[in-house]
Amino acid sequence: DTAVSQTPKYLVTQMGNDKSIKCEQNLGHDTMYWYKQDSKKFLKIMFSYNNKELIINETVPNRFSPKSPDKAHLNLHINSLELGDSAVYFCASSPGTGPTEAFFGQGTRLTVV
Amino acid sequence: GQQLNQSPQSMFIQEGEDVSMNCTSSSIFNTWLWYKQDPGEGPVLLIALYKAGELTSNGRLTAQFGITRKDSFLNISASIPSDVGIYFCAGGSGGDDKIIFGKGTRLHILP
Repeated sequence: DTAVSQTPKYLVTQMGNDKSIKCEQNLGHDTMYWYKQDSKKFLKIMFSYNNKELIINETVPNRFSPKSPDKAHLNLHINSLELGDSAVYFCASSPGTGPTEAFFGQGTRLTVV
Repeated sequence: GQQLNQSPQSMFIQEGEDVSMNCTSSSIFNTWLWYKQDPGEGPVLLIALYKAGELTSNGRLTAQFGITRKDSFLNISASIPSDVGIYFCAGGSGGDDKIIFGKGTRLHILP
């Protein structure tokens, strides 16, 4: 069983569209994250949720809206997609509060054309 | 904001060689983590360090949490082809869950 799974793995869409990426973890972790990895492979945290509550919200355009229906799921919705949103988006989870090890999903490669 | 300086950016080595990479920061971290990312995959945790001075091994990998809490290194002994990939250091500090990643060290093994 995959510990952190995100769908879809690839997403190609036109500028201006709205899209969602889903993430689920079966590790029983309390904290989930979204990271963005750019073309230079730099990983930057976007959001963090602990038990369905937002605890980290980095400087991310408000076109990006995370939603956590329960502590095992953290979805990412993106409105009005722009070319610069093209990147690989990783979902991750960690056991609890504080900076502990994070377990990553396989990533969603978003290409905006 | 906090930044991690990871070096070297790339390494080209022969199979069987030992590898060393490190991360430094101007800020103190309470946690140091080392990850490896294979192409098309997410980062996978290799070693986690939680205490200044801690030295931890995982097979051929050894990592240390610097005494000053501002640095960490990762060594790989007797490299093999499957060691190819991008290695990331990551540091965590404070009470939040934020972990900051270095820019990665790309390891290449020459045929």
